[in-house]
Order: sequence, then C-alpha cells, then structure tokens
Amino acid sequence: QVQLVQSGAEVKKPGASVKVSCKASGYTFTSYDINWVRQATGQGLEWMGWMNPNSGNTGYAQKFQGRVTMTRNTSISTAYMELSSLRSEDTAVYYCARGSSYGDLDYWGQGTLVTVSS
Amino acid sequence: EIVLTQSPGTLSLSPGERATLSCRASQSVSSSYLAWYQQKPGQAPRLLIYGASSRATGIPDRFSGSGSGTDFTLTISRLEPEDFAVYYCQQYGSSPPIFTFGPGTKVDIK
Repeated sequence: QVQLVQSGAEVKKPGASVKVSCKASGYTFTSYDINWVRQATGQGLEWMGWMNPNSGNTGYAQKFQGRVTMTRNTSISTAYMELSSLRSEDTAVYYCARGSSYGDLDYWGQGTLVTVSS
Repeated sequence: EIVLTQSPGTLSLSPGERATLSCRASQSVSSSYLAWYQQKPGQAPRLLIYGASSRATGIPDRFSGSGSGTDFTLTISRLEPEDFAVYYCQQYGSSPPIFTFGPGTKVDIK
C-alpha cells in the first residue's frame, strides 16, 4: 500500500533552517510529484510547492520563493523540504503529499511539527 | 490567482442529517481539477472527491460531489458520527502548477 512516512518533530530558533524528509513506499517514487503543504495550529491548508522526483524539477508558491528548497534522493525514495530563515510564523505541521494525475493530493504523510521559538 | 471561498464556515447538524457544503471559485475552474478533503483533529487530510464528482478509493457512497464552473458542492447524504470533521475544497491550475485550498467548513455535532 502507498505510504509516505515523514521525519520527526523539530524545534528551531528564529533564523535557522529546517529540513523535513518524506519516505515513499508502495509505488514507483519517480512516477508521481511530491507536494508540500503546511498547516498552522487551528488554521487551513497552505500549499508550498511541488517536485518531480524523476527530473528534480520544482515549482514553489510565490510566498516561499527564495526560502524553500525541495530535493530528493531516488535511491532511497525520499523527498526533502528545506525551509530557511525561519520565523515564528513558520510554526506549523508540514505535510508531504503525492500529486495524482487528476490534480489532487491522493496520499499524505503523517505530518511533521516544526516549532520556531527562541 | 483563483481564490476559493467555502460556506458555511461551520455547519451544526445531527447524525443522520444531510450536509451540503459549498465551494465557490473567483473564476472558472476546470471540473477535472476540483477536489474535496476531510480532516479530523490530529490527522492528515484525506482525499474524498476528485474531478469534482469522483469518489476516491474507499470513500463511502454517502459522499458525493457536484458542480462546474465556479460553484461546487460536497454532499454527505446521511451524517455518520465519524463524518464530523473539517472539509476543504482544492483546485489545481496547471500553468504553472499550483494548488489552492479553500478555508474549510467545519461540520460539528448539533
């Protein structure tokens, strides 16, 4: 069965960077885009960007341009999202999700809580 | 950029009742690229409906989606206790690829 398993919770200081991993299993990793979505406590879903694991091509939401980098290691079927220059407003649960050919996100990771605090 | 608006913000209903959730787009959306998700506290979102009206794998038939253009609807025909959750609509734009979510509708127990 398709699974996306994310790395554990992180606590970071303002100005630092965080890198979250997302390990895929149960399907061919290079056949589907990986997207990243975040959710602050009590808030809605915010799309951050996508990555094509086959080509490595990426596309980022304008809000995160210059601060986010999405990469992958195809040998271990793992995608990564790194967010830099962290501020308190970046405190949120970060999800990876598989993009389907129908323009939806059909499988989601369990989420990674990133807390930014001095 | 397309903006999605969902109404109502909160829907208070009893088990067994029918729930009708609305998602309105600021400009026309391809029906092929309109999806609905359910999210329960502490859990990741779960895909319910894709292509405006197709149920995702394993989704009960009490969930149905409809609509086109700028107006879309998620209907839950008879609420089960496990259906009380937050529901999000989402649209996909392909050039460039972008996902946009609505603010969500909370369905809670009356």
